[in-house]
Amino acid sequence: AQSVTQLDSQVPVFEEAPVELRCNYSSSVSVYLFWYVQYPNQGLQLLLKYLSGSTLVKGINGFEAEFNKSQTSFHLRKPSVHISDTAEYFCAVSDWGAQKLVFGQGTRLTINP
Amino acid sequence: EPEVTQTPSHQVTQMGQEVILRCVPISNHLYFYWYRQILGQKVEFLVSFYNNEISEKSEIFDDQFSVERPDGSNFTLKIRSTKLEDSAMYFCASRGTSGRTDTQYFGPGTRLTVL
Repeated sequence: AQSVTQLDSQVPVFEEAPVELRCNYSSSVSVYLFWYVQYPNQGLQLLLKYLSGSTLVKGINGFEAEFNKSQTSFHLRKPSVHISDTAEYFCAVSDWGAQKLVFGQGTRLTINP
Repeated sequence: EPEVTQTPSHQVTQMGQEVILRCVPISNHLYFYWYRQILGQKVEFLVSFYNNEISEKSEIFDDQFSVERPDGSNFTLKIRSTKLEDSAMYFCASRGTSGRTDTQYFGPGTRLTVL
């Protein structure tokens, strides 16, 4: 079985500052990794995904994430955040054989002007 | 851009009552899912559905829960006799057909409140 740990429940940052949201996973098999974003009163939107190949994955809105197999991590980064990035961010994993997504607890990103 | 829709956005019900949550997946998708998020907790998988049958379900998805695709467009989640602990946000998702690497697209959710 897989599990996902998002180490920070809340991350406050100033506008235009860089940000990193941390995600670690546990799995006995090879996995696919995802980051979803949830803006206030909206559903979950895919930011980016790692399936195979290059370990640095670029997504929408200037976000990127790096898959590190040895550290079982998939941290999300953005070099300069904007007020509009205020949202809840969820890391998720699925194994190659399963269809379901296993989510982390979520990280609330708050951007201060 | 196609999207998953869910109705109602908010449902309030009394304990013991039946509720049906509705979802309209993206039209050419064939894999369907329900997840839920209890306030302050993580998003949890409930059930996956393909070819008119359940393909996987979690321990949460007991006999009180059922899913159906009644008319080829809607995908419903029924809770027969709601309990207080069923209060949560329920998300529907759908996925295309290009293997297991396709993205799951989520709806905006239905907030269920059981009184």
